Amino acid sequence: GENVEQHPSTLSVQEGDSAVIKCTYSDSASNYFPWYKQELGKRPQLIIDIRSNVGEKKDQRIAVTLNKTAKHFSLHITETQPEDSAVYFCAASKRVNYGGATNKLIFGTGTLLAVQP
Amino acid sequence: NAGVTQTPKFRVLKTGQSMTLLCAQDMNHEYMYWYRQDPGMGLRLIHYSVGEGTTAKGEVPDGYNVSRLKKQNFLLGLESAAPSQTSVYFCASSYSTGLPAGNEQFFGPGTRLTVL
Repeated sequence: GENVEQHPSTLSVQEGDSAVIKCTYSDSASNYFPWYKQELGKRPQLIIDIRSNVGEKKDQRIAVTLNKTAKHFSLHITETQPEDSAVYFCAASKRVNYGGATNKLIFGTGTLLAVQP
Repeated sequence: NAGVTQTPKFRVLKTGQSMTLLCAQDMNHEYMYWYRQDPGMGLRLIHYSVGEGTTAKGEVPDGYNVSRLKKQNFLLGLESAAPSQTSVYFCASSYSTGLPAGNEQFFGPGTRLTVL
């Protein structure tokens, strides 16, 4: 089955620096790659996603890149701020059919990002 | 618009007891999911549903059952709780877009379950 590996498990940066989190996936049929942010004690929330027909996507200070050949994708956060401190999860899915169709997300194990003021 | 809600927020069970976790969404989503979150292991899919009356197994379904009798509700049951089921449980829901790739899953606030 699909496996998603995420690195690093913890990341500490100074405010204003950039942060990069990397994920690799095993199933070449995967076609949807979301990133979720989870603050302490809160629910995961989508911050950005990318589909396999796109190589890069940006939204203000965050960007995601996808390399389908190497089967890896990365989250880039520029000009980090203390409020960026959280656990970040990558995920991968492919369309599966069950009566209708859905996407089962396989999550990475998470990266704890600490932004030091 | 409450989004995705879960009840209860916290629960402590003794080994062998049973309980049901309730998830409700008011966004008219077709798809609903149950995940468990354990330290260092991310989120793992327990069961999911593509519509009213249908359910399917995820990555870690053993020891759990689910039901989707109404479109807006997805219930997760533990028939005989075990300490290994101590975890934080998240429900999520998403639209059915008909696209070949996925779309955003909206998560509930979570239920913290401890089995003694």
